[in-house]
Amino acid sequence: NAGVMQNPRHLVRRRGQEARLRCSPMKGHSHVYWYRQLPEEGLKFMVYLQKENIIDESGMPKERFSAEFPKEGPSILRIQQVVRGDSAAYFCASSPPMSGQETQYFGPGTRLLVL
Amino acid sequence: GESVGLHLPTLSVQEGDNSIINCAYSNSASDYFIWYKQESGKGPQFIIDIRSNMDKRQGQRVTVLLNKTVKHLSLQIAATQPGDSAVYFCAENTNYKLTFGKGTLLTVNP
Repeated sequence: NAGVMQNPRHLVRRRGQEARLRCSPMKGHSHVYWYRQLPEEGLKFMVYLQKENIIDESGMPKERFSAEFPKEGPSILRIQQVVRGDSAAYFCASSPPMSGQETQYFGPGTRLLVL
Repeated sequence: GESVGLHLPTLSVQEGDNSIINCAYSNSASDYFIWYKQESGKGPQFIIDIRSNMDKRQGQRVTVLLNKTVKHLSLQIAATQPGDSAVYFCAENTNYKLTFGKGTLLTVNP
């Protein structure tokens, strides 16, 4: 059973470009979460999605950031017009389709560097 | 601000010793806690969890203790090995949202 998969593992963008980060949840998981980690800090919640639905995006910056989890295919975190402050590690986690406090399993992350 | 924090940013132990990593939380309504291990360049790896109706839970070489009175939990690693070297995070799960502390760097000396 493959774990959570993320790609690319490393992404370099110049200021003003777009970054697209992809996440495939574990088999059988229909809940996806995105977190951001700055150097030497803990992870910060960004968004929680289920298939075709955004459940909670309270941790997402109001502008330039968006997320989706379509019926088919991976979840996508999209950052438009990137700035240097967007440089961070972005982690995706998934959990099974049950209510409440299910364990979240993390992918290896995408390390975004904005030049 | 964050509701979960750690007492010590770094911990250095000798191989074979036991390690104890501490964590404090501020939300008395929190009822589910998880410890994650993160190695350099990797994602957080689930170690063990505990719900508020328990005060102790054991896994393989790891034990988590929860003291709801003082809002404190700890992770104990028995017979620490070099492969245990990593950053350890406690996380508080409020419904579906994890709130992480800043982490403790555990270094195991041979």
